[in-house]
Amino acid sequence: NAGVTQTPKFQVLKTGQSMTLQCAQDMNHEYMSWYRQDPGMGLRLIHYSVGAGITDQGEVPNGYNVSRSTTEDFPLRLLSAAPSQTSVYFCASSYSWQGVDTQYFGPGTRLTVL
Amino acid sequence: RKEVEQDPGPFNVPEGATVAFNCTYSNSASQSFFWYRQDCRKEPKLLMSVYSSGNEDGRFTAQLNRASQYISLLIRDSKLSDSATYLCVVNMYSGGGADGLTFGKGTHLIIQP
Repeated sequence: NAGVTQTPKFQVLKTGQSMTLQCAQDMNHEYMSWYRQDPGMGLRLIHYSVGAGITDQGEVPNGYNVSRSTTEDFPLRLLSAAPSQTSVYFCASSYSWQGVDTQYFGPGTRLTVL
Repeated sequence: RKEVEQDPGPFNVPEGATVAFNCTYSNSASQSFFWYRQDCRKEPKLLMSVYSSGNEDGRFTAQLNRASQYISLLIRDSKLSDSATYLCVVNMYSGGGADGLTFGKGTHLIIQP
Protein backbone atom coordinates (compact mmCIF):
# COMPACT_ATOMS: atom_id res chain seq x y z
CA ASN A 1 0.00 0.00 0.00
CA ALA A 2 1.19 3.51 -0.81
CA GLY A 3 -0.84 4.88 2.12
CA VAL A 4 -1.70 8.57 1.75
CA THR A 5 -0.12 10.38 -1.17
CA GLN A 6 -0.08 14.10 -1.86
CA THR A 7 0.96 16.12 -4.88
CA PRO A 8 2.70 18.41 -5.43
CA LYS A 9 5.37 18.37 -2.70
CA PHE A 10 6.19 22.03 -3.24
CA GLN A 11 4.31 24.86 -4.93
CA VAL A 12 4.81 28.60 -5.36
CA LEU A 13 1.80 30.69 -6.36
CA LYS A 14 1.20 34.34 -6.99
CA THR A 15 -1.56 36.15 -5.14
CA GLY A 16 -4.88 35.53 -6.85
CA GLN A 17 -3.92 32.30 -8.58
CA SER A 18 -5.93 29.15 -7.99
CA MET A 19 -4.72 25.60 -7.68
CA THR A 20 -5.68 22.15 -6.47
CA LEU A 21 -3.74 20.09 -3.98
CA GLN A 22 -4.23 16.41 -4.63
CA CYS A 23 -4.67 13.75 -1.97
CA ALA A 24 -5.30 10.04 -2.43
CA GLN A 25 -5.37 7.02 -0.13
CA ASP A 26 -5.44 3.34 -1.02
CA MET A 27 -6.53 1.97 2.37
CA ASN A 28 -10.30 2.22 1.71
CA HIS A 29 -10.56 4.69 4.57
CA GLU A 30 -13.90 6.28 5.27
CA TYR A 31 -12.62 9.53 6.79
CA MET A 32 -10.34 12.05 5.09
CA SER A 33 -9.28 15.50 6.15
CA TRP A 34 -7.06 18.45 5.32
CA TYR A 35 -4.94 20.31 7.86
CA ARG A 36 -2.61 23.25 7.63
CA GLN A 37 0.45 23.62 9.83
CA ASP A 38 1.95 27.02 10.50
CA PRO A 39 5.01 27.86 12.62
CA GLY A 40 4.15 28.12 16.29
CA MET A 41 0.67 26.69 15.78
CA GLY A 42 -0.81 23.26 16.00
CA LEU A 43 -2.33 21.55 12.99
CA ARG A 44 -5.65 23.18 12.15
CA LEU A 45 -8.48 21.41 10.39
CA ILE A 46 -9.59 22.96 7.09
CA HIS A 47 -12.19 20.53 5.73
CA TYR A 48 -13.09 16.93 6.27
CA SER A 49 -15.16 14.15 4.75
CA VAL A 50 -16.85 11.17 6.41
CA GLY A 51 -17.43 9.37 3.10
CA ALA A 52 -17.82 9.81 -0.63
CA GLY A 53 -20.15 12.68 -1.42
CA ILE A 54 -20.05 14.12 2.11
CA THR A 55 -17.85 17.03 3.15
CA ASP A 56 -17.91 19.56 5.95
CA GLN A 57 -15.98 22.56 7.22
CA GLY A 58 -13.34 22.47 9.88
CA GLU A 59 -11.82 25.25 11.94
CA VAL A 60 -10.30 27.32 9.10
CA PRO A 61 -12.29 26.68 5.88
CA ASN A 62 -12.30 30.16 4.32
CA GLY A 63 -10.60 30.34 0.95
CA TYR A 64 -10.68 26.57 0.39
CA ASN A 65 -13.06 24.14 -1.29
CA VAL A 66 -13.13 20.36 -1.24
CA SER A 67 -15.04 17.55 -2.89
CA ARG A 68 -15.10 13.79 -2.39
CA SER A 69 -16.39 12.06 -5.48
CA THR A 70 -14.63 8.77 -4.67
CA THR A 71 -13.51 7.06 -1.48
CA GLU A 72 -9.87 7.37 -2.56
CA ASP A 73 -9.52 11.04 -3.53
CA PHE A 74 -9.98 14.24 -1.58
CA PRO A 75 -8.61 17.28 -3.44
CA LEU A 76 -8.27 20.69 -1.81
CA ARG A 77 -8.84 23.74 -4.00
CA LEU A 78 -7.50 27.18 -3.29
CA LEU A 79 -9.86 29.57 -4.99
CA SER A 80 -7.77 32.77 -5.04
CA ALA A 81 -4.46 32.34 -3.25
CA ALA A 82 -3.44 34.85 -0.59
CA PRO A 83 -0.11 35.21 1.27
CA SER A 84 -1.93 34.14 4.46
CA GLN A 85 -2.34 30.72 2.86
CA THR A 86 1.40 30.14 2.84
CA SER A 87 1.68 26.98 4.92
CA VAL A 88 2.36 23.27 4.94
CA TYR A 89 -0.75 21.30 4.05
CA PHE A 90 -1.30 17.76 5.25
CA CYS A 91 -3.96 15.37 4.09
CA ALA A 92 -4.95 12.61 6.50
CA SER A 93 -7.19 9.58 6.48
CA SER A 94 -8.54 7.14 9.02
CA TYR A 95 -10.57 3.94 8.96
CA SER A 96 -13.70 5.60 10.32
CA TRP A 97 -15.01 9.03 11.22
CA GLN A 98 -14.72 8.16 14.90
CA GLY A 99 -11.93 9.96 16.64
CA VAL A 100 -10.39 6.83 18.16
CA ASP A 101 -8.71 5.65 14.96
CA THR A 102 -5.14 6.31 13.87
CA GLN A 103 -4.83 9.27 11.54
CA TYR A 104 -2.51 8.49 8.62
CA PHE A 105 -0.93 11.59 7.15
CA GLY A 106 0.44 12.23 3.71
CA PRO A 107 3.94 13.70 3.28
CA GLY A 108 2.61 17.25 2.97
CA THR A 109 2.59 20.04 0.41
CA ARG A 110 4.68 23.13 1.12
CA LEU A 111 2.88 26.09 -0.40
CA THR A 112 4.26 29.60 -0.73
CA VAL A 113 2.03 32.44 -1.94
CA LEU A 114 3.86 35.54 -3.07
CA ARG B 1 -12.05 28.13 22.79
CA LYS B 2 -11.06 24.58 23.53
CA GLU B 3 -7.30 24.24 23.88
CA VAL B 4 -4.50 21.74 24.05
CA GLU B 5 -1.36 23.20 25.64
CA GLN B 6 2.20 21.91 25.49
CA ASP B 7 5.58 23.27 26.54
CA PRO B 8 7.28 23.93 23.18
CA GLY B 9 10.78 23.26 24.58
CA PRO B 10 13.27 22.51 23.28
CA PHE B 11 14.12 19.83 25.78
CA ASN B 12 17.84 19.08 25.46
CA VAL B 13 18.49 15.68 27.02
CA PRO B 14 21.62 13.48 27.06
CA GLU B 15 21.40 10.10 25.43
CA GLY B 16 20.29 7.44 27.89
CA ALA B 17 18.40 9.83 30.14
CA THR B 18 14.71 9.75 30.98
CA VAL B 19 12.56 12.63 29.84
CA ALA B 20 8.92 13.44 30.49
CA PHE B 21 6.57 16.06 29.22
CA ASN B 22 2.97 16.93 29.84
CA CYS B 23 0.07 18.27 27.88
CA THR B 24 -3.00 19.95 29.36
CA TYR B 25 -6.44 20.07 27.78
CA SER B 26 -9.42 22.28 28.49
CA ASN B 27 -12.45 20.05 27.84
CA SER B 28 -13.20 17.76 30.76
CA ALA B 29 -15.52 15.71 28.50
CA SER B 30 -12.68 14.69 26.15
CA GLN B 31 -12.56 10.95 25.58
CA SER B 32 -9.67 10.23 23.21
CA PHE B 33 -6.02 11.10 23.69
CA PHE B 34 -2.92 10.45 21.60
CA TRP B 35 0.73 11.23 21.19
CA TYR B 36 1.99 11.73 17.64
CA ARG B 37 5.60 12.13 16.62
CA GLN B 38 6.72 14.50 13.89
CA ASP B 39 10.23 14.49 12.50
CA CYS B 40 11.61 17.66 10.95
CA ARG B 41 9.83 18.49 7.68
CA LYS B 42 7.89 15.21 7.79
CA GLU B 43 4.32 14.22 8.46
CA PRO B 44 3.00 13.36 11.95
CA LYS B 45 2.81 9.67 12.81
CA LEU B 46 0.98 8.01 15.67
CA LEU B 47 3.30 7.16 18.56
CA MET B 48 0.67 5.82 20.93
CA SER B 49 -2.87 6.19 22.12
CA VAL B 50 -3.36 7.10 25.78
CA TYR B 51 -5.72 4.95 27.81
CA SER B 52 -7.33 5.71 31.13
CA SER B 53 -5.28 3.06 32.89
CA GLY B 54 -2.04 4.27 31.35
CA ASN B 55 -0.12 2.28 28.80
CA GLU B 56 3.41 1.37 27.91
CA ASP B 57 5.09 0.57 24.61
CA GLY B 58 8.71 -0.38 25.06
CA ARG B 59 10.57 2.67 26.37
CA PHE B 60 7.49 4.89 26.11
CA THR B 61 4.84 5.29 28.80
CA ALA B 62 1.73 7.42 28.50
CA GLN B 63 -0.50 8.45 31.38
CA LEU B 64 -3.84 10.20 31.61
CA ASN B 65 -4.90 12.28 34.61
CA ARG B 66 -8.55 13.17 34.12
CA ALA B 67 -8.89 15.03 37.42
CA SER B 68 -6.15 17.50 36.48
CA GLN B 69 -6.84 17.26 32.74
CA TYR B 70 -3.42 16.39 31.48
CA ILE B 71 -1.66 13.58 29.68
CA SER B 72 2.01 12.76 29.96
CA LEU B 73 4.66 10.99 27.93
CA LEU B 74 7.71 9.40 29.53
CA ILE B 75 10.65 8.24 27.44
CA ARG B 76 13.21 6.02 29.16
CA ASP B 77 16.75 5.30 27.99
CA SER B 78 16.44 7.96 25.31
CA LYS B 79 18.07 7.38 21.92
CA LEU B 80 19.39 9.84 19.37
CA SER B 81 16.57 8.68 17.11
CA ASP B 82 14.01 9.96 19.64
CA SER B 83 14.85 13.53 18.61
CA ALA B 84 11.61 14.87 17.16
CA THR B 85 8.60 17.01 17.95
CA TYR B 86 5.93 15.26 20.02
CA LEU B 87 2.37 16.35 19.37
CA CYS B 88 -0.34 15.96 21.97
CA VAL B 89 -3.73 15.27 20.37
CA VAL B 90 -7.03 15.39 22.22
CA ASN B 91 -10.51 14.86 20.88
CA MET B 92 -12.39 17.90 22.12
CA TYR B 93 -15.78 16.61 21.03
CA SER B 94 -17.60 14.53 23.59
CA GLY B 95 -19.37 12.88 20.64
CA GLY B 96 -15.98 11.65 19.48
CA GLY B 97 -15.90 12.49 15.76
CA ALA B 98 -12.46 12.79 14.22
CA ASP B 99 -13.18 16.41 13.34
CA GLY B 100 -12.83 17.10 17.05
CA LEU B 101 -9.17 16.12 17.13
CA THR B 102 -7.21 19.09 18.41
CA PHE B 103 -3.45 19.19 18.06
CA GLY B 104 -1.08 20.85 20.47
CA LYS B 105 1.76 22.94 19.07
CA GLY B 106 4.24 20.23 19.95
CA THR B 107 7.20 19.72 22.27
CA HIS B 108 10.59 19.71 20.58
CA LEU B 109 12.97 17.08 21.97
CA ILE B 110 16.69 16.98 21.18
CA ILE B 111 18.70 14.00 22.37
CA GLN B 112 22.38 14.84 22.62
CA PRO B 113 25.22 12.30 22.31
